[in-house]
Amino acid sequence: DVKVTQSSRYLVKRTGEKVFLECVQDMDHENMFWYRQDPGLGLRLIYFSYDVKMKEKGDIPEGYSVSREKKERFSLILESASTNQTSMYLCASSLKLRTEAFFGQGTRLTVV
Amino acid sequence: DQQVKQNSPSLSVQEGRISILNCDYTNSMFDYFLWYKKYPAEGPTFLISISSIKDKNEDGRFTVFLNKSAKHLSLHIVPSQPGDSAVYFCAASARNTDKLIFGTGTRLQVFP
Repeated sequence: DVKVTQSSRYLVKRTGEKVFLECVQDMDHENMFWYRQDPGLGLRLIYFSYDVKMKEKGDIPEGYSVSREKKERFSLILESASTNQTSMYLCASSLKLRTEAFFGQGTRLTVV
Repeated sequence: DQQVKQNSPSLSVQEGRISILNCDYTNSMFDYFLWYKKYPAEGPTFLISISSIKDKNEDGRFTVFLNKSAKHLSLHIVPSQPGDSAVYFCAASARNTDKLIFGTGTRLQVFP
């Protein structure tokens, strides 16, 4: 079974802090994704990566950056956390693009 | 601009009956569609997919129907079970993009 693990289930950070959300997958998948889920808005793609050191912007990349130094690890960085970044963050991976993605359990981030 | 729409935010169905969840899309380039189920505090899990070369795909109690002319897909769950109570997301992908675009979700409640 594919396992996608996010480093934290819950995080509380202060406005202006730099925040790192980590994601690791154990199935040698090429592609990794970061989404956020908000009520009434569904899942929105922040960034994705189709190879090590490669990244592409999703639909809402503003205020975020990513890092993929190793194939199994994809990090989401909030450069200066703001209250409107309070959300559920979901990491996913897939073997090939445009196939089913497997999700981690999510990180509930609260920025105060 | 919401390219994938789930216009019913919630649905309530009696156990044993059929659940029908609907999804509309606007982008005629979408050619691969997926359904995910999400329980609270967990990541979405993949349920079933369909390619645009088909109009139906079945997996056990779950069947997805695709009507390309209407840009509409639906997920049928027969018979519905209390464990099916969750939020269901449809997602779509296009030939000219690597993104997986999600709808806003429909909360299904199956009552005894």
